[in-house]
Amino acid sequence: DIQMTQSPSILSASVGDKVTITCRASQTIDNFLAWYHQKPGEAPNLLISRVSDLEGGVPSRFRGTGSGTDFTLYIDNLQPDDFGIYFCQQYRNYPLTFGGGTTVDI
Amino acid sequence: QVQLVQSGAEVKMPGASVRVSCKASGYIFSDNVIHWLRQAPGQRPEWLGWINNGNLNSYYSRDFRGRFTIIQDTSATTVYMDLTGLTSRDSAVYYCAREKGGRYPYWGQGTLVTVSS
Repeated sequence: DIQMTQSPSILSASVGDKVTITCRASQTIDNFLAWYHQKPGEAPNLLISRVSDLEGGVPSRFRGTGSGTDFTLYIDNLQPDDFGIYFCQQYRNYPLTFGGGTTVDI
Repeated sequence: QVQLVQSGAEVKMPGASVRVSCKASGYIFSDNVIHWLRQAPGQRPEWLGWINNGNLNSYYSRDFRGRFTIIQDTSATTVYMDLTGLTSRDSAVYYCAREKGGRYPYWGQGTLVTVSS
């Protein structure tokens, strides 16, 4: 199975900050990497597919980069609605697997 | 619009079975694949399996084969997951999600399954 490792696990930030979250795969996943945002009591919300493709309605302050095994999510100009947990997910191989999550505490 | 509406919370005894439903609407049901995932408190989502809503093929995580089954009622555009032999480790929120090329733009609201004696 492909293991996904995120860092940091917790991140404290303020409104207006730039935030960086990293995700590492245990083997190459090409560009089959997605990012989700989850708020308490809600299902995860897909933000980015194929490393850097923003889903419809996702603000341009979210940006994804990377390739192979190392990936990064950047959030510019952090907004109050951005608090919550961010997960990466690989969909290169079954079983589909998620990172352990990064809690963004505003 | 695409909607996936799941059944309500369940409380089960250890050793029991649970069925959770997922009613799909707002799109062509048979042209898609629905997956089931679960998320224990404070944990990452865990993939369980999928069913192809057109040809009814299914595929399961090897960690759950033998006690996890996905079926559907095509006329009702509803997918069901059955999990048997419940233990406390199965306590989690169970989600159905419509796949788009391996990722999940559409999710049900989640169903809390609590296993407790």
